[in-house]
Amino acid sequence: QKEVEQDPGPLSVPEGAIVSLNCTYSNSAFQYFMWYRQYSRKGPELLMYTYSSGNKEDGRFTAQVDKSSKYISLFIRDSQPSDSATYLCAMRLRAGSYQLTFGKGTKLSVIP
Amino acid sequence: SQTIHQWPATLVQPVGSPLSLECTVEGTSNPNLYWYRQAAGRGLQLLFYSVGIGQISSEVPQNLSASRPQDRQFILSSKKLLLSDSGFYLCAWSMASGKETQYFGPGTRLLVL
Repeated sequence: QKEVEQDPGPLSVPEGAIVSLNCTYSNSAFQYFMWYRQYSRKGPELLMYTYSSGNKEDGRFTAQVDKSSKYISLFIRDSQPSDSATYLCAMRLRAGSYQLTFGKGTKLSVIP
Repeated sequence: SQTIHQWPATLVQPVGSPLSLECTVEGTSNPNLYWYRQAAGRGLQLLFYSVGIGQISSEVPQNLSASRPQDRQFILSSKKLLLSDSGFYLCAWSMASGKETQYFGPGTRLLVL
């Protein structure tokens, strides 16, 4: 079993839809969870950074962590064509740990 | 604010040629620095990380090496490129405390022919 599983998609949604992106993981010791957005041929850009279980909201984006289920989600409300990108989840064991474990990314297309 | 630069943006090199990719960070001191490779369908692979000048840790044994000659400069090198070295190379930085996450540069696309 891979440490982090992420459906590669592609996922196509109409503009204005609510998008749900998900990752599952196997190592219960992960404590810090991140979502990155990567446009084609660009470096990943940090979107959300959360610690442990719960929700975190930033504008149209909500990150959700369920440690009991080893499941994290990113919700995008009122999706826009500019949200079309690959979304990578990442996680880390503890503060001071250098290693991030990434999912392979989900490619999202928002159709006008 | 902090900025991370990488160059070149794109590179096409023949097999067996040397490689030097450079990464610099502005606006912070004593950052942790990282080199990743991103290959299609394989996700992000950590190659090297550095917590200070001259301090390099290798995560994956391979044809590549890294050096950190200055606090905010990180270099990825190879003496002889292989076809399998093709990919998208990303430099990243984080605060030395390790409490923050990593921030990525724009990347270098390398094609070895």
